[in-house]
Amino acid sequence: SQTIHQWPATLVQPVGSPLSLECTVEGTSNPNLYWYRQAAGRGLQLLFYSVGIGQISSEVPQNLSASRPQDRQFILSSKKLLLSDSGFYLCAWSVMAVGTQDTEAFFGQGTRLTVV
Amino acid sequence: GQSLEQPSEVTAVEGAIVQINCTYQTSGFYGLSWYQQHDGGAPTFLSYNALDGLEETGRFSSFLSRSDSYGYLLLQELQMKDSASYFCAVRDPDSGGYQKVTFGTGTKLQVIP
Repeated sequence: SQTIHQWPATLVQPVGSPLSLECTVEGTSNPNLYWYRQAAGRGLQLLFYSVGIGQISSEVPQNLSASRPQDRQFILSSKKLLLSDSGFYLCAWSVMAVGTQDTEAFFGQGTRLTVV
Repeated sequence: GQSLEQPSEVTAVEGAIVQINCTYQTSGFYGLSWYQQHDGGAPTFLSYNALDGLEETGRFSSFLSRSDSYGYLLLQELQMKDSASYFCAVRDPDSGGYQKVTFGTGTKLQVIP
């Protein structure tokens, strides 16, 4: 069965410090991978998605970047955190196929980031 | 670009029926999904509509009208544990044909006794 791991669960970082959040998927190959951010009480904002190693699409210009060094590994980074980067960060994966009808996305448990 | 609009909050009584609406505007469209998210948790998949009509899964049903770019989630026999946020989502293609999942603004459902 497929599983998705995301860590850490919570993180408190000072403004200006770097960030690295890691997400790994097991039990599937060549997945679509996503990073979402959710502000308190708000919707899910798609930050980045990836359809393959080294292929990253950015949805929103911001202080963050993403990388996919391996097929089932997705990393969210920042060189210098801002207060506005605080939020609940969720990694997700879905089946990767052009034109597929399979729509389910599977989420990790999230990282609650507080920038102070 | 894509946009999916939902009411921000809905309150309903335990045992009643509630409908959560979603209108969408996307450059491409394969289908509409619904997710549930409890406070502090991750979203979990509820249902998917690719074609017009109603899909039923237990107490939950989902409806889609492609011509109206509209769908809804219907929750019957509401239970207190149904209190959560509900998101509609579309799986729409990018310029390369690969699909990304974009979520709506979310509806916070509060079930009261």
